Amino acid sequence: EPEVTQTPSHQVTQMGQEVILRCVPISNHLYFYWYRQILGQKVEFLVSFYNNEISEKSEIFDDQFSVERPDGSNFTLKIRSTKLEDSAMYFCASSDDWATQYFGPGTRLLVL
Amino acid sequence: QKEVEQNSGPLSVPEGAIASLNCTYSDRGSQSFFWYRQYSGKSPELIMSIYSNGDKEDGRFTAQLNKASQYVSLLIRDSQPSDSATYLCAVKLNTGNQFYFGTGTSLTVIP
Repeated sequence: EPEVTQTPSHQVTQMGQEVILRCVPISNHLYFYWYRQILGQKVEFLVSFYNNEISEKSEIFDDQFSVERPDGSNFTLKIRSTKLEDSAMYFCASSDDWATQYFGPGTRLLVL
Repeated sequence: QKEVEQNSGPLSVPEGAIASLNCTYSDRGSQSFFWYRQYSGKSPELIMSIYSNGDKEDGRFTAQLNKASQYVSLLIRDSQPSDSATYLCAVKLNTGNQFYFGTGTSLTVIP
């Protein structure tokens, strides 16, 4: 069964460093999402991406964040200058109909 | 303010019983409603979606939506220990592509 994959599974970085989180969505899906979940808190929407552009972003998704689809398969989230409060689990999701979202296993980011 | 509220629990039910999970939302513009299951340390997994008032059944799961009361619920019949997880309610407005999640209800099914 097709699944969303994410790499790395864990990332530790120093405050102020740039990180790139990678996702490979399910191959025929057209809608892509990034979410984050701070430990013990709710899942928070960051951004949705459709037709090679951002379709919506939340207040969390400020200038420190960017997304790209550099090729036909990968979907990346970049955090330019990480802060301690960026420590969270980051989930990528994809969908072929915007509603039925399939989540990847997540990348646990720890900013020291 | 677009809030999705859930009782955090924990909710404990004996095996074979019906588990009832509730969710309220604040924005009347909410159009689409989703229930996800999240096992500890894992990613959310979609269980059901519901868009119209009333009930929607899928196997042991029934979602109920009442837009007038801004309330959506999930019933799990014949609860199994494998149903023990956190259940997340999510809402999408009729505009935009942003999904709003509740904090989740922790369910424990006792064998």
